[in-house]
Amino acid sequence: KQEVTQIPAALSVPEGENLVLNCSFTDSAIYNLQWFRQDPGKGLTSLLLIQSSQREQTSGRLNASLDKSSGRSTLYIAASQPGDSATYLCAVSFQGGSEKLVFGKGTKLTVNP
Amino acid sequence: DAGVIQSPRHEVTEMGQEVTLRCKPISGHNSLFWYRQTMMRGLELLIYFNNNVPIDDSGMPEDRFSAKMPNASFSTLKIQPSEPRDSAVYFCASSLFMGAADTQYFGPGTRLTVL
Repeated sequence: KQEVTQIPAALSVPEGENLVLNCSFTDSAIYNLQWFRQDPGKGLTSLLLIQSSQREQTSGRLNASLDKSSGRSTLYIAASQPGDSATYLCAVSFQGGSEKLVFGKGTKLTVNP
Repeated sequence: DAGVIQSPRHEVTEMGQEVTLRCKPISGHNSLFWYRQTMMRGLELLIYFNNNVPIDDSGMPEDRFSAKMPNASFSTLKIQPSEPRDSAVYFCASSLFMGAADTQYFGPGTRLTVL
């Protein structure tokens, strides 16, 4: 079964800290991997999309890496701010299907002032 | 652009009633997705359309659920009859191209409570 796992489920850090969120997936045959952000009571916002041929993507203070062979991705957030507090979801599009996204359950991040 | 628009934002109904959720995708987008989010199961794809045609409905839980996309600017997700276990947040998303190759833009969701 194609699954996406995110550990830990929740993370609390002080403002200014650099942090890493983890995502693992069960099948290395993927089209791409995406990281989303979800604020309470809101929909999801796409942060970064990494194609299977890429190793990483960067946007501002965010950097996402992809290691297909080990089935892992990380989202690195530099100099965290209270405004970064949200739930971060990882989603993978596995090959062999209809390219639909399979989501992890997310990591709830709290950045304390 | 107004983004993906969903209505209603909140729906409370009684078991056995019909529920219709509505979605207007971003203008010009060719793909539309319906998701369901619960604490237990996370975010699950129910069905997606490309150019108004259903491509993958394998996530639709059972015959009580149906989805239509009569034109490029409107889609509905209907539950008939509704049950308490259908309580969840239902999201609609759209993307310019088919499949997961393109960024999906999510609506704010409809929080459904079935009593």
